[in-house]
Amino acid sequence: GNSVTQMEGPVTLSEEAFLTINCTYTATGYPSLFWYVQYPGEGLQLLLKATKADDKGSNKGFEATYRKETTSFHLEKGSVQVSDSAVYFCALRITQGGSEKLVFGKGTKLTVNP
Amino acid sequence: ETGVTQTPRHLVMGMTNKKSLKCEQHLGHNAMYWYKQSAKKPLELMFVYNFKEQTENNSVPSRFSPECPNSSHLFLHLHTLQPEDSALYLCASSQGRQVEAFFGQGTRLTVV
Repeated sequence: GNSVTQMEGPVTLSEEAFLTINCTYTATGYPSLFWYVQYPGEGLQLLLKATKADDKGSNKGFEATYRKETTSFHLEKGSVQVSDSAVYFCALRITQGGSEKLVFGKGTKLTVNP
Repeated sequence: ETGVTQTPRHLVMGMTNKKSLKCEQHLGHNAMYWYKQSAKKPLELMFVYNFKEQTENNSVPSRFSPECPNSSHLFLHLHTLQPEDSALYLCASSQGRQVEAFFGQGTRLTVV
């Protein structure tokens, strides 16, 4: 089946620290991969995406590379800020039975302290 | 602002009440979705509509009844809910095979 596994949180970092949130997936076919972010009290916002192997998605200093050989899409940021505190969701999108499916990981809560 | 609007933002209802959640998008998208987000659980896809037709129902109890009168509007009708149905209900839309989905801010539902 199709599933996403991301590292359990919560993750607590100091400002300017390096961030990695691991994400691996299983999928039939060739999924597109995403990172969504959810700030407190809000819905999900697309952070970045990659649609094929070796693509690198990037936005707001965050990066993730689609690694088909390791079925991974780890999220990284070189220097986090307090404003990055949020819940981060890894997701895959695949077409199955004529329907588009977006499958999410459980989410990783990040807290950045000043 | 993602272009997907959900109302109300917060809802408290008793187990015998009937209420409806509304989702609206004017992005020209033809696919709309309902998700349920509970504490400590993954996001659960509930329903998918493509061109107003329901294409997926993920074994959702009948006390949740979706309605999609047109491609811009999606409703979730609620009746005789249980306390464990308390959650954040998220609506999303996408343009068919376009890769990303756009989410609304959600309705925080509390069943008492």
